[in-house]
Amino acid sequence: AQSVTQPDIHITVSEGASLELRCNYSYGATPYLFWYVQSPGQGLQLLLKYFSGDTLVQGIKGFEAEFKRSQSSFNLRKPSVHWSDAAEYFCAVGSNAGNMLTFGGGTRLMVKP
Amino acid sequence: KAGVTQTPRYLIKTRGQQVTLSCSPISGHRSVSWYQQTPGQGLQFLFEYFSETQRNKGNFPGRFSGRQFSNSRSEMNVSTLELGDSALYLCASSRDRGGDEQYFGPGTRLTVT
Repeated sequence: AQSVTQPDIHITVSEGASLELRCNYSYGATPYLFWYVQSPGQGLQLLLKYFSGDTLVQGIKGFEAEFKRSQSSFNLRKPSVHWSDAAEYFCAVGSNAGNMLTFGGGTRLMVKP
Repeated sequence: KAGVTQTPRYLIKTRGQQVTLSCSPISGHRSVSWYQQTPGQGLQFLFEYFSETQRNKGNFPGRFSGRQFSNSRSEMNVSTLELGDSALYLCASSRDRGGDEQYFGPGTRLTVT
């Protein structure tokens, strides 16, 4: 069975500082990996997706993620955080058997001025 | 292009009642997936519909059901509501094949009293 772990429940960073959110997955084959962001009271917005090819994936809003098969990780990064990035971030794994995602528990990001 | 829409946005029901939620996918998308989000269990996959057929199903009791119409719009139904069904119900649409990006609607907030 596939699973996703986001080890950090809460992270606080200062505005302008760099950010890395961790994600570890368990999946038997080559996974489809996603990062989503959710602002309070909103649905989920897709930041980026990885399936194959270049292991460094660029997404929207200046985010990028790196796939490391040897570590079963797909960490999300941003070089300089803005106050508007405060939200909850979810890592998810999917398969080619259909459009069903298994989500991690989420990481809530707070940004200090 | 219009995004995924969900109606209603908020709903209050009493234990034992049933409820129907609606989702209209992005134009041209044929796959609709449903997720339940609660503080305790996080984001959990309910089911996926593709071309009016249920393609995948999560681990939820039979009280949760859904359907998809020929225009790809989807409904989900919960019968005999329980307090634990209080949640944000999210709908996501994808083009077709598995592993596609899923685009989420704003959700329906269901409160069961």
